[in-house]
Amino acid sequence: DIQMTQSPSSVSASVGDRVTITCRASQGISSWLAWYQQKPGKAPKLLIYAASSLHTGVPSRFSGSGSGTDFTLTISSLQPEDFATYYCQQANSSPLTFGGGTKVEIK
Amino acid sequence: EVQLLESGGGLVQPGGSLRLSCAASGFTFSSYAMSWVRQAPGKGLEWVSGIIASGGRTYYADSVKGRFTISRDNSRNTLYLQMNSLRAEDTAVYYCAKGGLAIVTAAIDYWGQGTLVTVTS
Repeated sequence: DIQMTQSPSSVSASVGDRVTITCRASQGISSWLAWYQQKPGKAPKLLIYAASSLHTGVPSRFSGSGSGTDFTLTISSLQPEDFATYYCQQANSSPLTFGGGTKVEIK
Repeated sequence: EVQLLESGGGLVQPGGSLRLSCAASGFTFSSYAMSWVRQAPGKGLEWVSGIIASGGRTYYADSVKGRFTISRDNSRNTLYLQMNSLRAEDTAVYYCAKGGLAIVTAAIDYWGQGTLVTVTS
């Protein structure tokens, strides 16, 4: 199985900050990488698919990059509604696997 | 608008069974793979099982292989998860999830609201 490692596990930031989350796959997954946002008590929502493609309706302050084993999610200017937990997920092979999550907290 | 509505969760004893259902609407159900993803209380996301658009191939996490069975009825736009031999560690919110492609190996573009399964004596 492909292991997904996210870092950091949590980050404290202020509104307007640039936030970067990284995700590393245990083996190459080309661009088969997705990013999700989850708020407490709610279902996850897709932000980015194919490593860098923005899902419908997702604000342009979210961006993704990377290929192979190393990937990045960037929030260019953090907004109050962005405080949440973010997960990466590889879609290269079964079983689909998720990173452990990164909680973005208010500083 | 894509809607995924899970049902069938609840309280069950260890060793018991439950069948989850997911009613889908707002898209051509028979064209997309579907998955079940779970989240134990306070924990991260764990993919449980997936099924391709036609229903002809299924996939499972090792943690549920041999105990859970995924299926779909494309005529009823409904996804199922039959869960047998349930264990305490199966306690979680179970999400019905729509894949972005006909194959399981793709991003999940829409999620249901989740149904809670609690396994306890």
